[in-house]
Amino acid sequence: AQSVTQLDSHVSVSEGTPVLLRCNYSSSYSPSLFWYVQHPNKGLQLLLKYTSAATLVKGINGFEAEFKKSETSFHLTKPSAHMSDAAEYFCAVTDSWGKLQFGAGTQVVVTP
Amino acid sequence: ETGVTQSPTHLIKTRGQQVTLRCSSQSGHNTVSWYQQALGQGPQFIFQYYREEENGRGNFPPRFSGLQFPNYSSELNVNALELDDSALYLCASSLVRQGRDTQYFGPGTRLTVL
Repeated sequence: AQSVTQLDSHVSVSEGTPVLLRCNYSSSYSPSLFWYVQHPNKGLQLLLKYTSAATLVKGINGFEAEFKKSETSFHLTKPSAHMSDAAEYFCAVTDSWGKLQFGAGTQVVVTP
Repeated sequence: ETGVTQSPTHLIKTRGQQVTLRCSSQSGHNTVSWYQQALGQGPQFIFQYYREEENGRGNFPPRFSGLQFPNYSSELNVNALELDDSALYLCASSLVRQGRDTQYFGPGTRLTVL
């Protein structure tokens, strides 16, 4: 069975400073991992995914994530936060046929 | 925009009623998954349809049912609505039925049960 734990329910950063969102996973097989972003009253938008290729994955809008099998982690980072990054972020893992298991989400607040 | 559309955008029903939500998948995608997102929570998997057949189900009762049509669009039906069914219902389509394949989400249908 797969599961995801997002270690922070809420992260507050200043505009222009780095963002780190932490995600640990549990999977009984070689996982595919995803980060999605959800802006208020919107659906989910894919930021990036890991599917057993390069462990450092680059996504849209300057985000990247590193897959660390030894730590069962898939943390999301961005070097410099922008006001438009304020949203909810979800880490997810899939099983072999595509059932996404999501974490509880991390709310990101960006202050000027 | 992902190309996945859902209707209606918002819906208000009363307890005990039935509701049908609709989803049009992205062009070329043959797999549709439905998720329920309660307020303040992550999405929960309801079920997946692949080539018109249910292909896996989450921990939801039988009053949650669905269909997939030959054009791969899909419906989610919920009977005997309960207050706890109030949520954002998300539809996602993918090109193939594989874990590594990206699921593209629609904007969701906000269901309120009074």
